[in-house]
Amino acid sequence: EVQLLESGGGLVQPGGSLRLSCAASGFTFSNFAMSWVRQAPGKGLEWVSSISGSGGSTYYADSVRGRFTISRDNSKNTLYLQINSLRAEDTALYYCAKTSLWSPEYSSLVHWGQGTLVTVSS
Amino acid sequence: EIVMTQSPATLFVSPGERATLSCRASHTFSSNLAWYQQKPGQAPRLLIYGASTRAIGVPARFSGSGSGTEFTLTISNLQSEDFAVYYCQQYNNWPQTFGQGTKVEIK
Repeated sequence: EVQLLESGGGLVQPGGSLRLSCAASGFTFSNFAMSWVRQAPGKGLEWVSSISGSGGSTYYADSVRGRFTISRDNSKNTLYLQINSLRAEDTALYYCAKTSLWSPEYSSLVHWGQGTLVTVSS
Repeated sequence: EIVMTQSPATLFVSPGERATLSCRASHTFSSNLAWYQQKPGQAPRLLIYGASTRAIGVPARFSGSGSGTEFTLTISNLQSEDFAVYYCQQYNNWPQTFGQGTKVEIK
């Protein structure tokens, strides 16, 4: 059974940083691209970033490019999202999601974790 | 960026009836379109990918159709567990984009 467990969220001041983690199990982690999707309180879904199975290709939403960095450690079956220069509008539940392919291109989000909440406030 | 627009925002349907949800794209693309279901306090769940292929374990009452810029999710014989928010997503172009969601409520 595929399991994705996010962690690392919390309350942070504007301009601060956090590193989110997503521990994966139940599948061969390195064979699949992964993504982060966020959802602000009471709002819809927003794609944030994706990474290929090897980690060699990464993609970002314009709203986070330059501030967020996606990475993965295939030896630890873990996906990361380093988030810097946080703003109030980054407040959201951050989900990690597994795609169906090695490349995130042309791949839907097949499995989702339960999310980790990031709150940016002074 | 491809903007995805869903309609209606809220759909009131009686149990046992059919619900038809629409998703329109600002630019045409191939069939790389997914539908997700989200219930309160839960993560989204993939229902449909490739515009019309049901994900594993998804009941046959869920069906997807469409191409180009117009896509539809149809839920036949609505069950109590189907009342939720539904999102479409295009994963054909970067950035991947979601619609704003359609909430299916009990009539």
